[in-house]
Amino acid sequence: EPEVTQTPSHQVTQMGQEVILRCVPISNHLYFYWYRQILGQKVEFLVSFYNNEISEKSEIFDDQFSVERPDGSNFTLKIRSTKLEDSAMYFCASSEKSPGTQYFGPGTRLLVL
Amino acid sequence: AQSVTQLGSHVSVSEGALVLLRCNYSSSVPPYLFWYVQYPNQGLQLLLKYTSAATLVKGINGFEAEFKKSETSFHLTKPSAHMSDAAEYFCAVSDSGNTGKLIFGQGTTLQVKP
Repeated sequence: EPEVTQTPSHQVTQMGQEVILRCVPISNHLYFYWYRQILGQKVEFLVSFYNNEISEKSEIFDDQFSVERPDGSNFTLKIRSTKLEDSAMYFCASSEKSPGTQYFGPGTRLLVL
Repeated sequence: AQSVTQLGSHVSVSEGALVLLRCNYSSSVPPYLFWYVQYPNQGLQLLLKYTSAATLVKGINGFEAEFKKSETSFHLTKPSAHMSDAAEYFCAVSDSGNTGKLIFGQGTTLQVKP
């Protein structure tokens, strides 16, 4: 069964460093999303991406964040200068249509020291 | 704006007992509703979804949920809890806009006692 994959599973970085989180969505899906979950809190929407552009972003998704689909398979989230409060689990999701069922990857646990 | 409220951050049941996890939503348009389960240190797995077809939706692992428009609810149930059901459960509503983003509730941790 097709699934969303994410790498790395864990990332530890120093405050102020850049990180890139990678996702490979399900191959025939057209809509892509990033969410984050701070420890003990609910899952929060960050950004949606369709047709090679951002379709919506949340207040969390400020200028430090960017997304890219550099080729036909990868979908990346970049944080330019990480802050302590960026420590969270980041989930990638994809769906065939919108609105539709979103399938989530296993997540990347980011720890900013 | 759409929102989701899950009543009860922690629910504890005995093995074999009924599981009831509550979810109420707010939406100005017919919603798409989802339940996801998150096992420790894992991602989100879809349990079931409501997309305006049958109001009683059956999902994986014996779970089901009933969409009640009059009560704006989408409660999750399972007749008999198993130890393996211990996890965190999230109710989510799909945004009515074209982006389809999911808006999640706070989550309910289900504990199953032997």
